[in-house]
Amino acid sequence: EDQVTQSPEALRLQEGESSSLNCSYTVSGLRGLFWYRQDPGKGPEFLFTLYSAGEEKEKERLKATLTKKESFLHITAPKPEDSATYLCAVQARGGYNKLIFGAGTRLAVHP
Amino acid sequence: DTAVSQTPKYLVTQMGNDKSIKCEQNLGHDTMYWYKQDSKKFLKIMFSYNNKELIINETVPNRFSPKSPDKAHLNLHINSLELGDSAVYFCASSQAQGGTFYEQYFGPGTRLTVT
Repeated sequence: EDQVTQSPEALRLQEGESSSLNCSYTVSGLRGLFWYRQDPGKGPEFLFTLYSAGEEKEKERLKATLTKKESFLHITAPKPEDSATYLCAVQARGGYNKLIFGAGTRLAVHP
Repeated sequence: DTAVSQTPKYLVTQMGNDKSIKCEQNLGHDTMYWYKQDSKKFLKIMFSYNNKELIINETVPNRFSPKSPDKAHLNLHINSLELGDSAVYFCASSQAQGGTFYEQYFGPGTRLTVT
């Protein structure tokens, strides 16, 4: 069964303290892995798509990487406005665009 | 310009009632989705339409019925509401091309509370 596990569940950082969020997945043929950011009371906001192992994408202080078993979201010198829940989702081959989401990592960045 | 919009944002109703949630996207996408986010924050897909054709229909009670009048709209009708239906419902859209489905863009959500 296709599955996505994110860790840690919650992460508290001081402003400027870099860290990484993990997304490990089990899927019958990966078509794509997606990272989203969700603020309280809002819908998920698209960040990155990764398609193959070794691929990396960057946006401001965020960098996403992908291996055959997991993806990392690296946050460099975070600011309080980076506080949110970060969701990882995978799309398996053989079907339509069914995204399987992890439970998310709640990130809190304190000044 | 709101890319994916949903109405209403909040919906409070009693058990046994029938309610509808509406979704519209102005991104020109041809695929739309309904997701349910429960109290534990897990997002689970319910339905998907591609060019008004139902392509994903997860294990959802048949009290839930999606309808897509055109590519830009996807509505969700729920009959005989139950307490367990309380959740946040998200609409999303994406583009499909040559068998590839691209990233999905989500609406702001509709918080449904059944009392």
